[in-house]
Amino acid sequence: AQSVTQLDSQVPVFEEAPVELRCNYSSSVSVYLFWYVQYPNQGLQLLLKYLSGSTLVESINGFEAEFNKSQTSFHLRKPSVHISDTAEYFCAVSLSGAGSYQLTFGKGTKLSVIP
Amino acid sequence: KAGVTQTPRYLIKTRGQQVTLSCSPISGHRSVSWYQQTPGQGLQFLFEYFSETQRNKGNFPGRFSGRQFSNSRSEMNVSTLELGDSALYLCASSLGVGTITEAFFGQGTRLTVV
Repeated sequence: AQSVTQLDSQVPVFEEAPVELRCNYSSSVSVYLFWYVQYPNQGLQLLLKYLSGSTLVESINGFEAEFNKSQTSFHLRKPSVHISDTAEYFCAVSLSGAGSYQLTFGKGTKLSVIP
Repeated sequence: KAGVTQTPRYLIKTRGQQVTLSCSPISGHRSVSWYQQTPGQGLQFLFEYFSETQRNKGNFPGRFSGRQFSNSRSEMNVSTLELGDSALYLCASSLGVGTITEAFFGQGTRLTVV
C-alpha cells in the first residue's frame, strides 16, 4: 500500500518570501504525484501533477514541484508568496497503470501568508 | 463546461438516521470517486465507480455504500449515522479510461450528525 507524509502541518511565511511545502511518499510500485489546494469551504483544486517525463513541473500561478525518485519526495515550492496563496495544500499519489483513479492523500499543510 | 456538482451543500442529520448524497460528474467523465474529509483523519478514500460498477473500495464499514447510474451520476448513502460520520464528503470526477490525468473535485457536502 502507498502512503504520503506531509512533514509540516502548518507553515507561516511572510508575503513575498519563498516557501517550500514538503511531501514524501512510500510505494512499492510506480506512482503518479499530485498537489491539490483547498480554500476554506471549497473542494480541492489541482495545482500540478507529475505523471512522467521532466521531473520539474510548474503551475500557472508560480508554484513548482520536483519529483525525486531516490528520495521519494515531491516538494512544492514558490519563490515569492502572496496573500492569496493562504490555503491548505495536499500532496497525493495514485498508482500508475492500476486502472483506478484512487488517490491517497497526505494530512495537508496549512500555508498562512503574513502581510 | 460545468464542473462537478454535489448536492446538497450542507446537511444536518440526527444520529441513527440515514443520508443520501448526490454527485453529478463533468459531462463525459465516467469515473466518480468519493472521499471523506475530517480534521482528525484527513482525506480518506471511500469508493470509486466506473460505468455503474464499483471499481475500488476504501476501508469503511458497510454502512457506507454507493452507486452509479447510467448517466454517470453517483450517490452515496450512509445508514445508521454516527456522530463520527460528521465530515465533508467530496466527490471527484475523472475520465476513467486511458492515461490517468487528474480528478476534478466538487465543492463537497458538509454533513453534521447531531
